[in-house]
Amino acid sequence: KAGVTQTPRYLIKTRGQQVTLSCSPISGHRSVSWYQQTPGQGLQFLFEYFSETQRNKGNFPGRFSGRQFSNSRSEMNVSTLELGDSALYLCASSSPSDRGHRETQYFGPGTRLLVL
Amino acid sequence: GQQLNQSPQSMFIQEGEDVSMNCTSSSIFNTWLWYKQDPGEGPVLLIALYKAGELTSNGRLTAQFGITRKDSFLNISASIPSDVGIYFCAGLAGGTSYGKLTFGQGTILTVHP
Repeated sequence: KAGVTQTPRYLIKTRGQQVTLSCSPISGHRSVSWYQQTPGQGLQFLFEYFSETQRNKGNFPGRFSGRQFSNSRSEMNVSTLELGDSALYLCASSSPSDRGHRETQYFGPGTRLLVL
Repeated sequence: GQQLNQSPQSMFIQEGEDVSMNCTSSSIFNTWLWYKQDPGEGPVLLIALYKAGELTSNGRLTAQFGITRKDSFLNISASIPSDVGIYFCAGLAGGTSYGKLTFGQGTILTVHP
């Protein structure tokens, strides 16, 4: 099976712009979670989507949003970019086992966003 | 945001030595996951633990899910240079914590040949 893919891998934007990042989960996985990774804050949960519905959201401002499509692919959008949004954005896909809550998340390579 | 307490923060060891790192939390988790991350890449899953007391091995790696469900450890035996990287623990709570992993701060491992 192909792993989780993310595009683009690298992105440079300026303050005030907006950006859209894309994530394609492992085939058959229906849950996609997004994380922000920075040297200061580590890995922080942004939100999770399952069957096109946001089920959980982390403590990030409303400038961070996402969506999921019927094929489970997901996008996240950051509007009005700030310098502090520079980070590695990671998505992870998972498929809970039919035996219960045996959820395991598999990560993509990430999108490195630099805001100037 | 909440993070797990992972220690040590960094380790410098000689090739062939064993390594041990652990994570503790004030909250209970239903799942513990251990990842390794290389520079510029996403975390790669090493071991998944789903049951309190569970001890699981993956080659030279062994991890355990603490009985209290508030801690986990990872051991690496006979380290080799390619073990270099950052190791993260992550916990998944039950209930409505859909898809939300809480991560430790990471352990930076350096292996001297």
